[in-house]
Amino acid sequence: RKEVEQDPGPFNVPEGATVAFNCTYSNSASQSFFWYRQDCRKEPKLLMSVYSSGNEDGRFTAQLNRASQYISLLIRDSKLSDSATYLCVVPRSGGSYIPTFGRGTSLIVHP
Amino acid sequence: NAGVMQNPRHLVRRRGQEARLRCSPMKGHSHVYWYRQLPEEGLKFMVYLQKENIIDESGMPKERFSAEFPKEGPSILRIQQVVRGDSAAYFCASSPGSEKTLFFGSGTQLSVL
Repeated sequence: RKEVEQDPGPFNVPEGATVAFNCTYSNSASQSFFWYRQDCRKEPKLLMSVYSSGNEDGRFTAQLNRASQYISLLIRDSKLSDSATYLCVVPRSGGSYIPTFGRGTSLIVHP
Repeated sequence: NAGVMQNPRHLVRRRGQEARLRCSPMKGHSHVYWYRQLPEEGLKFMVYLQKENIIDESGMPKERFSAEFPKEGPSILRIQQVVRGDSAAYFCASSPGSEKTLFFGSGTQLSVL
């Protein structure tokens, strides 16, 4: 299993739809997880941290499933402005703390 | 409170020249990470530095690439004798400590002719 794996998509959804992405990881000792958002040719920006108990921020919900080693991101009531690439971040196994990024899942929200 | 500052925004070099990319972390941040991103690909870790120390450079090619983060001044990623394959976006991120959130600069797009 790769360190961090994401379905590249694209996910093509209409405005108002609910969409969910999963991200699997191999480092069972990982303690911190994040979702970042990256718009075309721009820097990644933190969307939300992922806590063991789950985390909700407005229309966005992040969940952690340690048993199956995946994290998820749920977006409700999609907006056109949600169109972006969503990056899953998990610490690399072993050694110093190195956040490892998945390749990202592309989301396209259309009118 | 300024964010992570990277410059230049765009850098064009001919094969064989040197490229120097600079990164000033957010105020109060002493941890700096460099990542490289090729078109249609994810961010690949290159090097992790704290003030005056290289903590982990396992993602950086052994030849031609070097990085530093001096006591005073920005972090520098240096690429000697650039080749076309070095063309990519180079992002710097800083954090206030280990296992803390990363904040990214706007990146340097390096183009090698």
